[in-house]
Amino acid sequence: GENVEQHPSTLSVQEGDSAVIKCTYSDSASNYFPWYKQELGKGPQLIIDIRSNVGEKKDQRIAVTLNKTAKHFSLHITETQPEDSAVYFCAASMGTNAGKSTFGDGTTLTVKP
Amino acid sequence: NAGVTQTPKFQVLKTGQSMTLQCAQDMNHNSMYWYRQDPGMGLRLIYYSASEGTTDKGEVPNGYNVSRLNKREFSLRLESAAPSQTSVYFCASSSMSSTDTQYFGPGTRLTVL
Repeated sequence: GENVEQHPSTLSVQEGDSAVIKCTYSDSASNYFPWYKQELGKGPQLIIDIRSNVGEKKDQRIAVTLNKTAKHFSLHITETQPEDSAVYFCAASMGTNAGKSTFGDGTTLTVKP
Repeated sequence: NAGVTQTPKFQVLKTGQSMTLQCAQDMNHNSMYWYRQDPGMGLRLIYYSASEGTTDKGEVPNGYNVSRLNKREFSLRLESAAPSQTSVYFCASSSMSSTDTQYFGPGTRLTVL
């Protein structure tokens, strides 16, 4: 089955700096790669996603890049703010089966003011 | 529009007791999911339902049963709780498949003594 590895497990940055979180996946059939943000005591919430026919996607301070050949994708957050502090999860899914979503183990991001 | 709701928010059980976690969504989604989240292990899929009337096992189904009561509701039952089932449980829903955005509920924190 699919295996998703996420690095680093913890990341601490100064406010205003950039943060990068990387994920690798094993199954070349995966074609959908969402990123979720989970704040303390809440459920994960989608912040950005990318599909396998696209190499990069941006939404204001957040961007995701995908390298299908190397089977890795990354989340980039620029101009970080204290409210970006949370746990971030990557995931990989295959469209042919509704249940086949595999999540990374998460990255705890701390933005120091 | 409440999104995905879960009850209860917290529960403490003794080993061997049974309970049902309730989940409901008001977004007219076809697919629903149950995940468990353990420290440092991300989200693992327990069961999912691609559509009303169907359910399938995920990555960690042992010790659990599910019921897709109707399009809105998807319940998770622990027949004989074990300490290994201490976790935070999240319900999620998506429009059609796992390559659609998944919307998560607030979670149920379960402790089995």
